Formats: sequence, C-alpha cells, structure tokens
Amino acid sequence: EPEVTQTPSHQVTQMGQEVILRCVPISNHLYFYWYRQILGQKVEFLVSFYNNEISEKSEIFDDQFSVERPDGSNFTLKIRSTKLEDSAMYFCASSVQGEVTEAFFGQGTRLTVV
Amino acid sequence: SQQGEEDPQALSIQEGENATMNCSYKTSINNLQWYRQNSGRGLVHLILIRSNEREKHSGRLRVTLDTSKKSSSLLITASRAADTASYFCATGPDTGRRALTFGSGTRLQVQP
Repeated sequence: EPEVTQTPSHQVTQMGQEVILRCVPISNHLYFYWYRQILGQKVEFLVSFYNNEISEKSEIFDDQFSVERPDGSNFTLKIRSTKLEDSAMYFCASSVQGEVTEAFFGQGTRLTVV
Repeated sequence: SQQGEEDPQALSIQEGENATMNCSYKTSINNLQWYRQNSGRGLVHLILIRSNEREKHSGRLRVTLDTSKKSSSLLITASRAADTASYFCATGPDTGRRALTFGSGTRLQVQP
C-alpha cells in the first residue's frame, strides 16, 4: 500500500542551526502538507503546497520556515534557525486533488532542539 | 471550547466492549476525519465523513455527524487490545481551504 515516508525519524540539533526535514509523498498525490505536534499538544497545521507553491500557511509558519519540492518526489521543510520551542514531531501529509479528500500522514520526524 | 474538541480525554475499557468518542467543533465544515495515533507514531487515517452525510461505517468503525449540533462520534465495536491508541477528529473547513484542524484527542486503553 502506498505511504508517505519521512526522514529522518529523529533529529537532534543545536539551537540556531538549520534543519531540513524530508518527505516523499504518495506518488499520485498533488497536495502536500506539513503539520507539527508539540509533545502532549494538538496536531497543528503549518503549510500546504500545491502546483509548486504555498497554497495556505498558518501563523506558525513564519519567515524561519520554508518548503520546497526540489524534484518530482521529495517535499522538504526547512527551519532556518531552530529555537528550543521548535522541538516537536513534524508530520508530512499528502492528498489527491479534489474537493474533499483524506490526508495521508507519514510517521513523522521527531525534532529535538538542544 | 476550541475547534475539534474530543471527549472523553481518556477512556479505559475491556476487550470486547464498545468504545465511543465524541468530537465537537465550532465553525462550519466541509468534512470531518478521524485519525488514530499509536504512542509516538504517525497518524493513521480511519474514516472521512462529509458535511452532507449523517453516518458512515467502515469495518468495526461507525461515525456519525450532526452538523446542527456541530458534533461527531466515533464508535469502535468489539474493541481489541490493538485498538489502544489516541484518536483525533480533524475538521476540514468549508472555505475551500484544506488545512485540517485537529482536536486534542481521546486516549483509548483497551484492557485484554
């Protein structure tokens, strides 16, 4: 069964460093998303991406964040200068085109900023 | 309460019993989805119900949606120990946007 894959599963980084989280969405999906879940809190929407551009973003997705689809398969989230409060589980998701569709999530990358 | 609030926050039942989890939301929606999350793992999509649907079944899962009350319920029948997980509802807005708003989840513990 097709699935969204994320790498790495766990990343530890020092405060102020840049990190890139990687995702391979399901191959025939056209919408891509990043969500995050701070430990013990709700899953929060960060950004959605369609047709090679950001289609929606939340207030969390500020200038330190960026997304990119560098090739036909990968979808990345870059955090330019990590802060302690960026520590969270980051989930990538994808969905097919259509008015109402399920979003399929990856297993997540646990980011720990020390 | 916030968009997508589940209750109860925690539920402990015996194997074989039914588990019912509820979700309330505040804004108009296009669809409502339920997800399961095993501890520290990813979100697994369970079922999607559209705003013009009232009930949907998938295997041992039954979801209802009452848009007049802005609420949904997830029923898991004949629960198994493997159903132990956190369950989240997520609402899709009716604005044409796709960002899902998640609730805080119900932690279900099924005792063998």
